[in-house]
Amino acid sequence: AQSVTQLGSHVSVSEGALVLLRCNYSSSVPPYLFWYVQYPNQGLQLLLKYTTGATLVKGINGFEAEFKKSETSFHLTKPSAHMSDAAEYFCAVSGVSSGAGSYQLTFGKGTKLSVIP
Amino acid sequence: DTGVSQDPRHKITKRGQNVTFRCDPISEHNRLYWYRQTLGQGPEFLTYFQNEAQLEKSRLLSDRFSAERPKGSFSTLEIQRTEQGDSAMYLCASSLGILEAFFGQGTRLTVV
Repeated sequence: AQSVTQLGSHVSVSEGALVLLRCNYSSSVPPYLFWYVQYPNQGLQLLLKYTTGATLVKGINGFEAEFKKSETSFHLTKPSAHMSDAAEYFCAVSGVSSGAGSYQLTFGKGTKLSVIP
Repeated sequence: DTGVSQDPRHKITKRGQNVTFRCDPISEHNRLYWYRQTLGQGPEFLTYFQNEAQLEKSRLLSDRFSAERPKGSFSTLEIQRTEQGDSAMYLCASSLGILEAFFGQGTRLTVV
């Protein structure tokens, strides 16, 4: 079984400040980890993913995340927030869930990021 | 290629009616997924197709729900005898491999 916990349903930062969105996961198999962003009434866009190898992964729009196996965490960061970063962010985990090999995503509940000018 | 396309974007229906949604995946993608997202929650997996075969269904997919993917191309999700609890955003995603799913913009269903 897999699960994702995102700490903080709502995070507010000032424009130019550090963005830190927290994600902890649980997985019985080596996880693949993802961060997605969702703008209002839109689908989800992939920001970045961790599969294997380097634990610090860089994504689009200046975001990065670090996989820490010992802490079962995959926190998302961005050094300097921009107004356009205001959106909802979802952390997700996947792995083989059954013999069907679907690799479906299990999402957290999301964190809504507000950027204050 | 314009990405994953879903139709309609919005649907309002009366309780007890049947509704059908369509998803057109990215053309070369053999994997197709349906997810449901309710307000304040992350998307939840409903079902998975590899080509035309429906290989996995979540326990969330009650008997009133049915999905098809004829010829491994577009997919449809039908809900029969809709209930107010079915109100949600229904998201379709497709992928070629296992590591990057591309999502459509979703169909928002409101059952009144």
